[in-house]
Amino acid sequence: QQQVKQSPQSLIVQKGGISIINCAYENTAFDYFPWYQQFPGKGPALLIAIRPDVSEKKEGRFTISFNKSAKQFSLHIMDSQPGDSATYFCAATLNEKLTFGTGTRLTIIP
Amino acid sequence: GAVVSQHPSWVICKSGTSVKIECRSLDFQATTMFWYRQFPKQSLMLMATSNEGSKATYEQGVEKDKFLINHASLTLSTLTVTSAHPEDSSFYICSAFNTGELFFGEGSRLTVL
Repeated sequence: QQQVKQSPQSLIVQKGGISIINCAYENTAFDYFPWYQQFPGKGPALLIAIRPDVSEKKEGRFTISFNKSAKQFSLHIMDSQPGDSATYFCAATLNEKLTFGTGTRLTIIP
Repeated sequence: GAVVSQHPSWVICKSGTSVKIECRSLDFQATTMFWYRQFPKQSLMLMATSNEGSKATYEQGVEKDKFLINHASLTLSTLTVTSAHPEDSSFYICSAFNTGELFFGEGSRLTVL
């Protein structure tokens, strides 16, 4: 079964700090790796995504690092803010079908 | 970005009744839409792939007679939960790809009493 393992399950970071969430996958055929942000009672919103031919992608305070050989990718949130407090899901896509990680509940404290 | 709209955003129904949830792509056409289910504090689980003009493809373990999917047009897919029971209470979310990115609706929270 295709799996995407995500860690940590929950994360508390001080305001201004760096939040780091990690994911690992098994299927080397995955061709698209998005990160989603979800607030309570809302659907997931695309945050940033990367394709396996790129090792890093940065959009504002959000950066994806991708290690194809290790089959791992991570999300870094720089200068974390209270408004970043949400649940984050990594995912991997094959033939437009997404497999989600288990999610990380991020809390940014003042 | 592309907009995917769901309706209703929440619904409460009695056990044994059927509930229909609509998913619309507002500014693009989608030949394929995806339906997910999410239990509290858990990840999203793909239920089925909705295909315009043909039968939906269900994931293993999902009852096709319980969760009826109709993709009648390039902008509308519907999920009908038939003879709903309390264990069907969940957050149902649809999604669709546009220009290589997957966009989600706001979700529909179903509570079955």
